[in-house]
Amino acid sequence: NAGVTQTPKFRILKIGQSMTLQCTQDMNHNYMYWYRQDPGMGLKLIYYSVGAGITDKGEVPNGYNVSRSTTEDFPLRLELAAPSQTSVYFCASTRGREEKLFFGSGTQLSVL
Amino acid sequence: GENVEQHPSTLSVQEGDSAVIKCTYSDSASNYFPWYKQELGKRPQLIIDIRSNVGEKKDQRIAVTLNKTAKHFSLHITETQPEDSAVYFCAAPAPLTSGNTPLVFGKGTRLSVIA
Repeated sequence: NAGVTQTPKFRILKIGQSMTLQCTQDMNHNYMYWYRQDPGMGLKLIYYSVGAGITDKGEVPNGYNVSRSTTEDFPLRLELAAPSQTSVYFCASTRGREEKLFFGSGTQLSVL
Repeated sequence: GENVEQHPSTLSVQEGDSAVIKCTYSDSASNYFPWYKQELGKRPQLIIDIRSNVGEKKDQRIAVTLNKTAKHFSLHITETQPEDSAVYFCAAPAPLTSGNTPLVFGKGTRLSVIA
């Protein structure tokens, strides 16, 4: 199993541009999450999904959108990028709500 | 909702000494308490977890203890080594009343092991 795969690993955006961070998992996990981690800080939940077709907002959803059309894929969309969205983004998945989180390798995003 | 507080925020120990990181939680119904380790530039990875039916769990040099009455759990690392240097996060489940919201993370502890 590849686990959780995120692309791209690095990206630089200009203010106002848009992009999609891709996340896919091959473990047949129902639960998927997007976190952001600012330098030297903890993990903040952006959006999560408990299954295909179901998404919910986390702690910091503003400026982002997600979709979950399949069990495997959970892309994160940034519209009108702002410098405040400069961060490292982690996608993660779990089999169940109180189970081990498997993280992707992260996407380092800079908005200039 | 669940509130998870983690202390200390930074911790420096001499190689070979022990390190203890403590977390408190607010929801008495929480039953699952994991610890994640994040090395510099890497993704967080689960190192140990405990469920409320036990008070302690060990895995080689790391152990987690749980006190449900006091609503706190701790990570213990013995015989620390330089490769233990990392940021450690505790977590606890959000209340079921909040829906399917996943784990709530503490703010992290940066552990430095000095050789």
